Formats: sequence, structure tokens, C-alpha cells
Amino acid sequence: DQQVKQNSPSLSVQEGRISILNCDYTNSMFDYFLWYKKYPAEGPTFLISISSIKDKNEDGRFTVFLNKSAKHLSLHIVPSQPGDSAVYFCAAYRGGSNYKLTFGKGTLLTVNP
Amino acid sequence: DAGVTQSPTHLIKTRGQHVTLRCSPISGHKSVSWYQQVLGQGPQFIFQYYEKEERGRGNFPDRFSARQFPNYSSELNVNALLLGDSALYLCASSFAGSYNEQFFGPGTRLTVL
Repeated sequence: DQQVKQNSPSLSVQEGRISILNCDYTNSMFDYFLWYKKYPAEGPTFLISISSIKDKNEDGRFTVFLNKSAKHLSLHIVPSQPGDSAVYFCAAYRGGSNYKLTFGKGTLLTVNP
Repeated sequence: DAGVTQSPTHLIKTRGQHVTLRCSPISGHKSVSWYQQVLGQGPQFIFQYYEKEERGRGNFPDRFSARQFPNYSSELNVNALLLGDSALYLCASSFAGSYNEQFFGPGTRLTVL
């Protein structure tokens, strides 16, 4: 049962344009959503998060949007840079005493110069 | 400052054997989480430990066990290895278990033949 889904295995964009990575979830009990970035041969790196009580969080070039009614979130990267090329994972967890973090399968983003 | 370190980097085992993976958290971090990442999938949560106590467990069989030591380092043990246990095993540390402040190690690549 895939509770966090990233339906696009890959995405290719031109440098300077916007990258939009999408994520859907099925568990309405999730309280927090996170995005991680992973380069080859390295562990994932935390990028940005959003609480379920918000619909937008911004950090520099990265913005995450949350649509609770659609159980959908997206990560926008503007402008995209070649160094952003990596695998991006969406993840989610419930607050309180449940510490299980659930990841999606990831989307490979390639930013072309 | 040293990041999260994991040992060994790679190892090869045969079916039925036992394996121990080790993780040293960032200095000052009291929580360690373990994940299994199979090729083409996102990381799957195995355990979280905080102050030497198990705080969360994913959907893994009892063949998987872990512990955290007084110096906050951690071991992941897998008994009776199966071919399907072949994966990248990631360790992550944080000060108090917050996923927003979680730092990953580079992982241990386990191959079961």
C-alpha cells in the first residue's frame, strides 16, 4: 500500500525555467510533509517541509504547496539550476507518538544547461 | 564537523547469514533512524531510536532488530538473510528525532547472494 506516491519517475527542464515536482498521498492522518534531495552515492538531504495546517511554505528558490482536499503537494523550484539535478523524494508522517516516516519512490530531476 | 558515518560501505553476504550494520550520529544528536532503500524505490522506515529507546518501528519482520548505545551510536542487525534484503541501508541522525533536522549518512550497500 503506497501511501505516498510520486507518479513521475523523471522530469527534464531547461536551466532558468520552473521545475514542478508532484506528490500525492492517501493517508489523511499525515500532519507533516517533507521534500528530500538525493545525489548519487550520498544520503538524502532535507530540503523543505510543510505542516498540514499551512498551504504554502517558501525557502529561497524552493516553494512547497499543499492541497489537503486533493491530498496533493508539489515542490516548485524557480529558477532551476543544473546543480538541482538529483532525485527528489516526498515524505510524510503523523505527529504525536507515531514516528514512522513514509517516502515516495522519488522523481529524477534533470536540469539541462 | 563529521557527518553521520556508516560502516561498512559495502558488504556481500549469503542467504541465511546474519549481518550487523553500524552508524555513528553527528555529535550531539540523540536520535538515530534506519531505512532500507531497494533499487528504484524510496527509503523504507525500519526503526527510530531516541535516548536508547525504540520510538518507532516500520513494517519489517522480526529478523530486523536494532539498538542504540550510551554514546548514541547504533547497530542494525538482520538475521537469516534473504535475497530480498539486498538494498542500501541508510542511517540518519537528529537531535531529538525531528525529521526536519534529520541528516543522513551515505549508507551501507548490502548484497545477499
